[in-house]
Amino acid sequence: SQQGEEDPQALSIQEGENATMNCSYKTSINNLQWYRQNSGRGLVHLILIRSNEREKHSGRLRVTLDTSKKSSSLLITASRAADTASYFCAPGIQGAQKLVFGQGTRLTINP
Amino acid sequence: GAGVSQSPSNKVTEKGKDVELRCDPISGHTALYWYRQSLGQGLEFLIYFQGNSAPDKSGLPSDRFSAERTGGSVSTLTIQRTQQEDSAVYLCASSLGGLAGGEQYFGPGTRLTVT
Repeated sequence: SQQGEEDPQALSIQEGENATMNCSYKTSINNLQWYRQNSGRGLVHLILIRSNEREKHSGRLRVTLDTSKKSSSLLITASRAADTASYFCAPGIQGAQKLVFGQGTRLTINP
Repeated sequence: GAGVSQSPSNKVTEKGKDVELRCDPISGHTALYWYRQSLGQGLEFLIYFQGNSAPDKSGLPSDRFSAERTGGSVSTLTIQRTQQEDSAVYLCASSLGGLAGGEQYFGPGTRLTVT
């Protein structure tokens, strides 16, 4: 499968703590994206990291990419209740024209 | 428009009936994607359009599923002779180009229930 596989499948933490989610993939990529989904409807793009980048920041989000290990991580710092959602990684496979999403990580932030 | 829109937002249909789902992408976006998401599952790719042509239909689960796009804009996903296993949320996304890794903008989805 070319899809990204997120780990863990579910994560529950206290508000204010940091949340880390991991993604693994199997083939060469141009870049890798992370998306968030609230309430099972439309996805929202969070961040894109290119294959020649190792780390990228956006607000409270920090994404790392290790192409040698074919893995990425998403760190959300100082979590808030509004961060409760499902998070998906989507590798942009070289030569492909579509994104292939994994099963996602269900993140719950407890007040 | 301001974003990707989909209609209807919810559709309940009887087994065996045909349904049409509509997607209006962001103006100027040449690439359009359809996905399906069953309850608690990830996104399942269905079909990709670049302009009006569909270079990748590999995700369509059966010949009951078809899609078209006209004028490089609106797309319609048609499911014929619906089955209960077709019940899912159908999501549409568009992007500026069709190259791998382009940021995709998603619509709110159509929740299809086949009774």
